[in-house]
Amino acid sequence: NAGVTQTPKFQVLKTGQSMTLQCAQDMNHEYMSWYRQDPGMGLRLIHYSVGAGITDQGEVPNGYNVSRSTTEDFPLRLLSAAPSQTSVYFCASSFTGTGGSEQYFGPGTRLTVT
Amino acid sequence: RKEVEQDPGPFNVPEGATVAFNCTYSNSASQSFFWYRQDCRKEPKLLMSVYSSGNEDGRFTAQLNRASQYISLLIRDSKLSDSATYLCVPNPNTGFQKLVFGTGTRLLVSP
Repeated sequence: NAGVTQTPKFQVLKTGQSMTLQCAQDMNHEYMSWYRQDPGMGLRLIHYSVGAGITDQGEVPNGYNVSRSTTEDFPLRLLSAAPSQTSVYFCASSFTGTGGSEQYFGPGTRLTVT
Repeated sequence: RKEVEQDPGPFNVPEGATVAFNCTYSNSASQSFFWYRQDCRKEPKLLMSVYSSGNEDGRFTAQLNRASQYISLLIRDSKLSDSATYLCVPNPNTGFQKLVFGTGTRLLVSP
């Protein structure tokens, strides 16, 4: 199993550009989520999905879109990049959305918006 | 009050020392907890799950104090490889819930 994979590892964008961060998992997990981590702050939930075709907003959803067309993939789209979106983005998956299941994280995407 | 609060540290300890840090939580409905470990510039990984009053796994012991609403992580015989940030995650365990991660406590173990 590859676990949770994320691409790209690093990305530099200019203000106003759009892009998609890719996330895939091969563990047949129903629950997937996107977090951002800024220096000195905890992981903050952006969007999550409890299964294919179902998504919902997390704590900081503005400026991001998601879709879940398959169980395996959960891409995160930045609509119009802003410097405030400079961060490290982690995708995670688990068997269920409750905390009773271990969250498996991808290696992260380091995004810089200039 | 924040949902999860942790002392950011860093806690600087020599190899072989015993170190403990706490995590306080505000949701009294939380029934279980997780400690995740995050190495510098890496993804978090599960260290321990705590489902009752505590859990022990080798050099690591987690304890839960429901009355005071905090959990602690004790590391005995610290190794250089224990240097990392430790994240506390309470689980409300009442159906689907979005996990809230603490900011983490940074531990530095020196030779």
